[in-house]
Amino acid sequence: KQEVTQIPAALSVPEGENLVLNCSFTDSAIYNLQWFRQDPGKGLTSLLLIQSSQREQTSGRLNASLDKSSGRSTLYIAASQPGDSATYLCAVISDMRFGAGTRLTVKP
Amino acid sequence: GAGVSQSPSNKVTEKGKDVELRCDPISGHTALYWYRQSLGQGLEFLIYFQGNSAPDKSGLPSDRFSAERTGGSVSTLTIQRTQQEDSAVYLCASSLAPSYGYTFGSGTRLTVV
Repeated sequence: KQEVTQIPAALSVPEGENLVLNCSFTDSAIYNLQWFRQDPGKGLTSLLLIQSSQREQTSGRLNASLDKSSGRSTLYIAASQPGDSATYLCAVISDMRFGAGTRLTVKP
Repeated sequence: GAGVSQSPSNKVTEKGKDVELRCDPISGHTALYWYRQSLGQGLEFLIYFQGNSAPDKSGLPSDRFSAERTGGSVSTLTIQRTQQEDSAVYLCASSLAPSYGYTFGSGTRLTVV
């Protein structure tokens, strides 16, 4: 059974800092992985989807990488802003399993 | 439709009553998923539909929970004899096909009093 872990559970950084969120999974035979953002009391917004054949995807200040052999994905956020404050979740879509999320706070 | 629509957005029910939660997926999306998110917790998988069939319903917590999908479109999650521990946000997602990226609805917040 696929298990998805996100570390750290919470992270607080000053505005402008670059940061990395981590996602690990136990079964490397995945098809794709998706990163989401969840604001308090809201649904999930898709950020990036990485297919198994890809190593990374970029959207604006966000870059997600995937290393199937090591069972890891990272979400890199450049030049963080207070508006980036939210919970970030990764999901192994092919197994329909989510990590518990990393709660990010960016302080002005 | 343009996005995944869930109704109602909020539901307060008395313990022991039955509730129905509805999900309207994006038109043309063959796969539909239900998740539950309890306060401060991650997403708990409930059930997955491909078309009108449910190949994986392993996450349904008990036989009080059931779901169906009709016409390859709308899905209904039914909870019978609700208990306080059923209080959570119920999220629905759809995707073009299995293992394609998810699009989520805004969820139904269920409160059992």
